[in-house]
Amino acid sequence: EAQVTQNPRYLITVTGKKLTVTCSQNMNHEYMSWYRQDPGLGLRQIYYSMNVEVTDKGDVPEGYKVSRKEKRNFPLILESPSPNQTSLYFCASSAGTANTEAFFGQGTRLTVV
Amino acid sequence: DAKTTQPPSMDCAEGRAANLPCNHSTISGNEYVYWYRQIHSQGPQYIIHGLKNNETNEMASLIITEDRKSSTLILPHATLRDTAVYYCNSGGTSYGKLTFGQGTILTVHP
Repeated sequence: EAQVTQNPRYLITVTGKKLTVTCSQNMNHEYMSWYRQDPGLGLRQIYYSMNVEVTDKGDVPEGYKVSRKEKRNFPLILESPSPNQTSLYFCASSAGTANTEAFFGQGTRLTVV
Repeated sequence: DAKTTQPPSMDCAEGRAANLPCNHSTISGNEYVYWYRQIHSQGPQYIIHGLKNNETNEMASLIITEDRKSSTLILPHATLRDTAVYYCNSGGTSYGKLTFGQGTILTVHP
């Protein structure tokens, strides 16, 4: 079954404690991306990757890092989380052409206290 | 990606057709129209997409106007489980980026 898997689904952490949210896809997609979703602001892209070792900033990259060492994995790293990064996060993957849809993970609800 | 405009909310009776409009007047000639939906806080789910012709799949139908400036997503027999936020966007996933607007909250009631 084609899927994008995120872990963990829920996370509560304290300010400043580094964390990583993992994302893995089994469709051999080249493109992967991270979004955050906040009430009233919709889905906003954080970072995206067009292939292994190729990443670029999205609309709201501040405070986040990513890496793409393997095609299937695209972890999101928060080196020093702050309360304003409390949000619902989604990972997505796609073949990356105009005629292909994106597949989303089930989301990670992060709370930073 | 073209900017899209959708009504903020709509209601539909269970068993009836739900027709969700989307305006994408600035869409360019090679951009597809896509529809996704998000149930509660789950990940957005792809529904359907099209370029010029009307499209139908097991979930829905997509009607695109001849000038491609607007489209309508049709859920032929809405169920309570179709209650969700429906997003229309264009451009596909070029460079892996999707741009989502605020979407339409569809509420299907008994």
